Parts: sequence; C-alpha cells; structure tokens
Amino acid sequence: GNSVTQMEGPVTLSEEAFLTINCTYTATGYPSLFWYVQYPGEGLQLLLKATKADDKGSNKGFEATYRKETTSFHLEKGSVQVSDSAVYFCALRLSGGSNYKLTFGKGTLLTVNP
Amino acid sequence: NAGVTQTPKFRVLKTGQSMTLLCAQDMNHEYMYWYRQDPGMGLRLIHYSVGEGTTAKGEVPDGYNVSRLKKQNFLLGLESAAPSQTSVYFCASSYSWGGETQYFGPGTRLLVL
Repeated sequence: GNSVTQMEGPVTLSEEAFLTINCTYTATGYPSLFWYVQYPGEGLQLLLKATKADDKGSNKGFEATYRKETTSFHLEKGSVQVSDSAVYFCALRLSGGSNYKLTFGKGTLLTVNP
Repeated sequence: NAGVTQTPKFRVLKTGQSMTLLCAQDMNHEYMYWYRQDPGMGLRLIHYSVGEGTTAKGEVPDGYNVSRLKKQNFLLGLESAAPSQTSVYFCASSYSWGGETQYFGPGTRLLVL
C-alpha cells in the first residue's frame, strides 16, 4: 500500500540553525508530494509541493526536492526562526483514480528556541 | 472569502450522546473530506465527498455518518459517541479531481467522557 514515513520528533533547534526533516514514501504509481504545516491551534496549511521527479518545491525559505531514485522528499531550511515552530506533515497523493486522497505521515514537531 | 470553517470549535460529550459537526466552504469546491487527528497517528480520512449528494467511506469510517446535501456544506455525525472518538477533527476541501491541493479548516476538538 501507499505510505509516508517521517523522521520521529520532536526536533528542537536554536534560531538560525539548519533544518532537515526526512520524509520517504512508498507508492504504486507516480505520486505528487506535499509538505503541510500546522501552527499551534490551527488547521493544516500547504507549505510546498512537487508533482514529478526532480521538481523542487519552495516556500517561505523551505525547500524539498522530489527524489524518485531514493523515494524521498526531505524538507530543508537554511536558517529557522522561532515562528517556524509547528508540526510538519509530509504527504503524498497518487494520480489517477484515487487522487482525491492524501496519505499523511505522522508529523514532526519542530520547536525553535530563541 | 472565509475559506473552510468548522462549527463548533470545541465540544464535550458523554458516552452515548450524539452530535453533528458542520463544515462549510465558500470556494465552490467539489471535493470535501473529514479527517481525524490523533497523537502519533497523523491524519486519517474518515469520509469524503466528490460532489453534492455523494459520500464515500475513507480509512476509518466506523461510528460516523456524513451528508452533503449542499455543495458548500459537509456534515459529520456521531450517532452514539465513544471515548475512542476523542480527537481533533479537520474538514478539508479541494477544487478538482487532479492537480489541486486540499484546504483545511481550523479543526474541532472533541472530548468524549
């Protein structure tokens, strides 16, 4: 079946540190890949996405590259801020008959300290 | 443009009680979804709808019912609440069958005692 595996949290960093949150996936077919972010007390928001191999999604200083050969979509940011503290979810969606459905990872809690 | 809204924000129920969660979207989206979020589990799809008057089961449909009588509204019902249904419930919507992402509401926190 289709699944998403994210690195276990929580992750605690100091402001301006480099961030990597690992995400790997298993899917039949060619999925689109997403990172969603959930700030405290809020719903999920799309952070970035990539729809085909070698695409790079980017937004708000975050980046992730769709690596088909390693089935990965790792999230990176060069210099985190306190305001980046949130839960980050990696997700995939297949194309074709089941592409209404997002499959989420379990989420990674990021805390950034000043 | 309010996006996706959910009512109520928080509710406490006793075991066996019933309630309905309301989701509304003003983006004219065809597709709507109900998820539950539990610690360490990520989000799991309960039910979804591909258009007005249609509903379908997701990953964890047992104990829930849904209705989509109007395009903009998607209702999630609990007929007889159980403590295992204590969770945060998120509604989401999307525009098209392919290429679009889902927009989420702020969530409803439900506690079943």
